[in-house]
Amino acid sequence: KQEVTQIPAALSVPEGENLVLNCSFTDSAIYNLQWFRQDPGKGLTSLLLIQSSQREQTSGRLNASLDKSSGRSTLYIAASQPGDSATYLCAASGTYKYIFGTGTRLKVLA
Amino acid sequence: NAGVTQTPKFRVLKTGQSMTLLCAQDMNHEYMYWYRQDPGMGLRLIHYSVGEGTTAKGEVPDGYNVSRLKKQNFLLGLESAAPSQTSVYFCASSYGPSPASDTQYFGPGTRLTVL
Repeated sequence: KQEVTQIPAALSVPEGENLVLNCSFTDSAIYNLQWFRQDPGKGLTSLLLIQSSQREQTSGRLNASLDKSSGRSTLYIAASQPGDSATYLCAASGTYKYIFGTGTRLKVLA
Repeated sequence: NAGVTQTPKFRVLKTGQSMTLLCAQDMNHEYMYWYRQDPGMGLRLIHYSVGEGTTAKGEVPDGYNVSRLKKQNFLLGLESAAPSQTSVYFCASSYGPSPASDTQYFGPGTRLTVL
């Protein structure tokens, strides 16, 4: 059974800092891995999707990597801003289904 | 495009009452999902559908039923609500199962409280 873990559960950083969020999964037979952002009281917004055959994806200040053999993905945020404050969730996809981690709550201090 | 919409946004029920949550998407997506989100437990899949007229169980299906009579709508029903079903419910949709097109789009959620 797939299990997805995100560490740390919460993180506070000063504005401008580069940071890395971690996601680990137990079953390497994933279809793809997706990173989401969730603002308080809101739904989830997709940030990046990495196919199982890919190693990384980039969008603006965000870079996500995938290492299936070690069961790990990281989300790198460059030059963090207060507007980046949110909860970040990763989800590993099997056939038809996503298994979500519990998220990392990020606070970027101005 | 409105994307994925959910009705209602908030609801309070008494134990034993029934209700239906409606999810609608206007992106012509084949796949639709219902999740619940509880503190410290992340999102868990309740039921999903891979096309009009089809439904399947997810991780936590007990106490819920679903229907997908039209491609754009996915209904989640609670026949006899219990306090353990207090949660935030999210609907999502995606185009299909291929790795490149499997991005899930989420609705804004329904906050349900069962007293």
